[in-house]
Amino acid sequence: QSALTQPASVSGSPGQSITISCTGTSSDVGTYNLVSWYQQHPGKAPKLMVYEGSKRPSGVSNRFSGSKSGNTASLTISGLQAEDEADYYCCSYAGTSTVFGGGTKLTVL
Amino acid sequence: EVQLVDSGGGLVQPGRSLRLSCAASGFTFDDYAMHWVRQAPGKGLEWVSGISWNSGSIGYADSVKGRFIISRDNAKNSLYLQMNSLRAEDTALYYCAKDHNPYRGIAVAGFDYWGQGTLVTVSS
Repeated sequence: QSALTQPASVSGSPGQSITISCTGTSSDVGTYNLVSWYQQHPGKAPKLMVYEGSKRPSGVSNRFSGSKSGNTASLTISGLQAEDEADYYCCSYAGTSTVFGGGTKLTVL
Repeated sequence: EVQLVDSGGGLVQPGRSLRLSCAASGFTFDDYAMHWVRQAPGKGLEWVSGISWNSGSIGYADSVKGRFIISRDNAKNSLYLQMNSLRAEDTALYYCAKDHNPYRGIAVAGFDYWGQGTLVTVSS
C-alpha cells in the first residue's frame, strides 16, 4: 500500500492551464479505472473534482479534467482562477485497499 | 441534502480504545459503500477502511489492520469505526466519506460527500 506519487507543488498564472500528475503502479492506477481527484482548501473537507478517471460530478466546473496513461493519472485545470489555489490529492483503488497521493499544493500567481 | 456528521473523537492514551460514529442523512444509506479517511495534522489524506453497502466486503489499510474494526447499521443510517490499541501515529482528523456510485464493494469510484471530521488525539 504505497502512496501514489504527486509533485509537491505546481503554480500557474490566472488564465493558464496546469497539469498535476499522479504516478502509481500496475497494482493500482495502471489496472483500475478508479482514480479520483480532490481539492482541499485550508480547514475544509476535501471536495471531489473527478471520479472514475475522467468523470466530473454534478456542479464541478468543466475547467477540471482527468485522464490516464499507463500507471500515471493526470488532473488538468484550464483557465486558472484565484479560487483554484488549494491542495489537490489523487486517489486510486488498489485491489483490496485504496491509496492516496501525497498531495500537490497549487499556487495561483 | 446529503449530510454526514462525524463524532466520537477526543484525547485518549496510547493503548486505549475509541469508537467513532458517522450519522448519515439525505440519501438512501444502505445503497452506498462508506469509508473512513484520516488526515494527520499538516499532512495528507490516508484511506483507513471501507465497507460495502451490505457489509459483505470490508477492507483496511495495513497501518490499522488488526486494530480497527469498521461496521455499519443500515437501520440507524450510521457508520462506525472501533479503534483499539491506539498509537500516537493514529492522531488525526477522521472523516467518514460516501462512495459516489451505489451498490459497490469497497472499490471506490470517488468520495462525493465527506463529514466535517472528528479529531482523535493519542497522547499520554
